[in-house]
Amino acid sequence: GAGVSQSPSNKVTEKGKDVELRCDPISGHTALYWYRQSLGQGLEFLIYFQGNSAPDKSGLPSDRFSAERTGGSVSTLTIQRTQQEDSAVYLCASSLERASYNEQFFGPGTRLTVL
Amino acid sequence: RKEVEQDPGPFNVPEGATVAFNCTYSNSASQSFFWYRQDCRKEPKLLMSVYSSGNEDGRFTAQLNRASQYISLLTRDSKLSDSATYLCVAANPGYALNFGKGTSLLVTP
Repeated sequence: GAGVSQSPSNKVTEKGKDVELRCDPISGHTALYWYRQSLGQGLEFLIYFQGNSAPDKSGLPSDRFSAERTGGSVSTLTIQRTQQEDSAVYLCASSLERASYNEQFFGPGTRLTVL
Repeated sequence: RKEVEQDPGPFNVPEGATVAFNCTYSNSASQSFFWYRQDCRKEPKLLMSVYSSGNEDGRFTAQLNRASQYISLLTRDSKLSDSATYLCVAANPGYALNFGKGTSLLVTP
């Protein structure tokens, strides 16, 4: 079946611009995560959605970052007024219910470069 | 201090070698543990879960020591295709998965 998909695969933007990154989780997966991974670094948790519950936003690094999940499926991560330190690979993952007990399936990521 | 710590490596080993990856976690309330594998410029993929009693999957053996808050992954008879970064993961009672920075493995002919 189809895995997690993300778009765009690459995004180059200028400092100060806003960007939107999209994630389509695996059908039927109620849990959705956003992470980012900078060069040579581990995965940094950003935000978590579980069903209709309020999202866990504890990992968002600043108020320039926000995310939505519409209809319990597709999610969009928005970064406003991008900075050079936002350059990273943004990974989306989904799982059945609680990811702490279930395998997370990752998308291929969006590579963001802020000039 | 990061919640999950790993030796970054790189580990350079010849084919056929046995390699041990080690990991420590700081949150004693962590409930679930995993090893993920990440190939260069690819997304992470689950390698195996880690159970308290220890578990084996082919050439891979995972161990968990809750008292020491220590997780290990043993890879026997290394193959060239095992070259990747191995990520240790500890899951807290909430919803967050904490990933280590990963240990890089290069298996050479």
